[in-house]
Amino acid sequence: DIQMTQSPSSLSASVGDRVTITCRASQSISSYLNWYQQKPGKAPKLLIYAASSLQSGVPSRFSGSGSGTDFTLTISSLQPEDFATYYCQQSYSTSDRTFGGGTKVEIK
Amino acid sequence: EVQLVQSGAEVKKPGESLKISCKGSGYSFTSYWIGWVRQMPGKGLEWMGIIYPGDSDTRYSPSFQGQVTISADKSISTAYLQWSSLKASDTAMYYCARQYRGLWSPIYYFDYWGQGTLVTVSS
Repeated sequence: DIQMTQSPSSLSASVGDRVTITCRASQSISSYLNWYQQKPGKAPKLLIYAASSLQSGVPSRFSGSGSGTDFTLTISSLQPEDFATYYCQQSYSTSDRTFGGGTKVEIK
Repeated sequence: EVQLVQSGAEVKKPGESLKISCKGSGYSFTSYWIGWVRQMPGKGLEWMGIIYPGDSDTRYSPSFQGQVTISADKSISTAYLQWSSLKASDTAMYYCARQYRGLWSPIYYFDYWGQGTLVTVSS
């Protein structure tokens, strides 16, 4: 099984801050890494696929980078609507496309 | 417009069986995998398994193999997740999601999600 470890598990930030979330895979997954945003009571929403490709309609303040085992999601200037929980997901494995544990972004 | 509409919330007793559904519309249902994701109360997302409605090819996470059954009826564009004997630990929100595959490379991601089905198992 490929384990996905996110850090931090939670963070507090202010509107306008630059926020970086990391995701580490237990083995190389090339660039097969996706990022999702989930708000309370809602289904997750795709933000980034293939490590760095922005999903259509997602604001450009979101960006992703990395390959191999280490990846980052960056929000360049945090907006009020960005307070949510973020999950990475590997799609390298054919039968168990595991998610990371999540990072909750809270208002400072 | 692509939509995945899930069946409503369920309250069951331990030992009972259950089948929840996910109906797709606005796209070719048989051409995309449908996945199921569990979210236990206050916890993260867990990938359970996926099915290709075109031929019913199914893959399960080792964590869920033997615990649930994923199926699909392509004639009515609906995927299912079922339990034969529920446990209290099955209490969770369950999401279905469409898995997109890149045109030119094996890139996979969930691009559309259902609204979720809350399953509560309690005596």
